[in-house]
Amino acid sequence: DAGVIQSPRHEVTEMGQEVTLRCKPISGHNSLFWYRQTMMRGLELLIYFNNNVPIDDSGMPEDRFSAKMPNASFSTLKIQPSEPRDSAVYFCASSRTEFWANEKLFFGSGTQLSVL
Amino acid sequence: DAKTTQPNSMESNEEEPVHLPCNHSTISGTDYIHWYRQLPSQGPEYVIHGLTSNVNNRMASLAIAEDRKSSTLILHRATLRDAAVYYCILRDPLNRDDKIIFGKGTRLHILP
Repeated sequence: DAGVIQSPRHEVTEMGQEVTLRCKPISGHNSLFWYRQTMMRGLELLIYFNNNVPIDDSGMPEDRFSAKMPNASFSTLKIQPSEPRDSAVYFCASSRTEFWANEKLFFGSGTQLSVL
Repeated sequence: DAKTTQPNSMESNEEEPVHLPCNHSTISGTDYIHWYRQLPSQGPEYVIHGLTSNVNNRMASLAIAEDRKSSTLILHRATLRDAAVYYCILRDPLNRDDKIIFGKGTRLHILP
């Protein structure tokens, strides 16, 4: 099992540019989560999908952020236009179901985003 | 607001047991108690979880107080590789709107 795969591992971009982060969940997992981590705010849940459908996007900071899951094996988190305050580590996680109260969450290695 | 309270940091000597406390005085009867840890430059990883009874796995043990208002993650023999931030999280299976909040966690330092 390859685990949750995220790309790129590092992204450096200039303010105003579009950024796309990618995630491949573990095969057979039905739920996918996007988190953002900063020193100030810790780990924040941005959005999660169940069976490719967005269930809760209340954590998405603003309209510049959008996430899609076109199929069970791929999701993207897009920031357009990017701003320096978006600099953070973005994690993708997956679980077998959305009811992970009795399940494990599996995290990817993250994408370190720097917006200059 | 975080529903759990953990010390900001702890230290332990290598090869000794470590007890990481977590207070969750407002826990509901259906909340599961989860522990995750985050090694430097990595994503969080699952450690253990439980509901009422104490739990053991190859990584750690989880001791849950009888009133469930607190729990303790036990690393039986700490190694340098156990240095990480440990998060205690509650998750209610009956509440779809329940936010998954990691909080600040406890930064565990292992002394060689």
